[in-house]
Amino acid sequence: KNEVEQSPQNLTAQEGEFITINCSYSVGISALHWLQQHPGGGIVSLFMLSSGKKKHGRLIATINIQEKHSSLHITASHPRDSAVYICAVGLGEKLTFGTGTRLTIIP
Amino acid sequence: KAGVTQTPRYLIKTRGQQVTLSCSPISGHRSVSWYQQTPGQGLQFLFEYFSETQRNKGNFPGRFSGRQFSNSRSEMNVSTLELGDSALYLCASSLVAGGLNEQFFGPGTRLTVL
Repeated sequence: KNEVEQSPQNLTAQEGEFITINCSYSVGISALHWLQQHPGGGIVSLFMLSSGKKKHGRLIATINIQEKHSSLHITASHPRDSAVYICAVGLGEKLTFGTGTRLTIIP
Repeated sequence: KAGVTQTPRYLIKTRGQQVTLSCSPISGHRSVSWYQQTPGQGLQFLFEYFSETQRNKGNFPGRFSGRQFSNSRSEMNVSTLELGDSALYLCASSLVAGGLNEQFFGPGTRLTVL
């Protein structure tokens, strides 16, 4: 069993829809990261959180430490949000990654 | 502030050769981590350097090695290349060591082994 599970693997939605991507992990962690990867490979760090909730523009990330679960929400989705979203957990000082969620937003 | 830079961006090698990839972190960042990304395995942690010392290492064979210089620039080396080493190699820098810190990624080096 992978230490980090993401769902769904693929998600296609219409522009304007509310998007939720989930991440579950099986071990105690020091922090959880949400990353965005566009075609071509570049990765951008969206959030790093160890408790509660963070918001940046249309993106919201939450984490429930007791349930070992985090969600990434995108409000008013836009085609430019199309990318792969990757959850990564800090296990000690190393990052372990989920397999990613490929999000496609259709105009 | 300049971002993380990696050179070269693309590289083609043949089996058995060795390769050296370079990563220059954001100015002031002392930690550099290296990751391998493949379609089959996804992103995997290779190793992390902080103040010229390797702090952590992932589950990769000894053919994969790295080092960090006093100016925090880092190199990784892969010897005796295998076809399965074809991947996108990413480095990331952060202010201090460990997965507790926001990491800033470079654009990656795409290595193809023929």
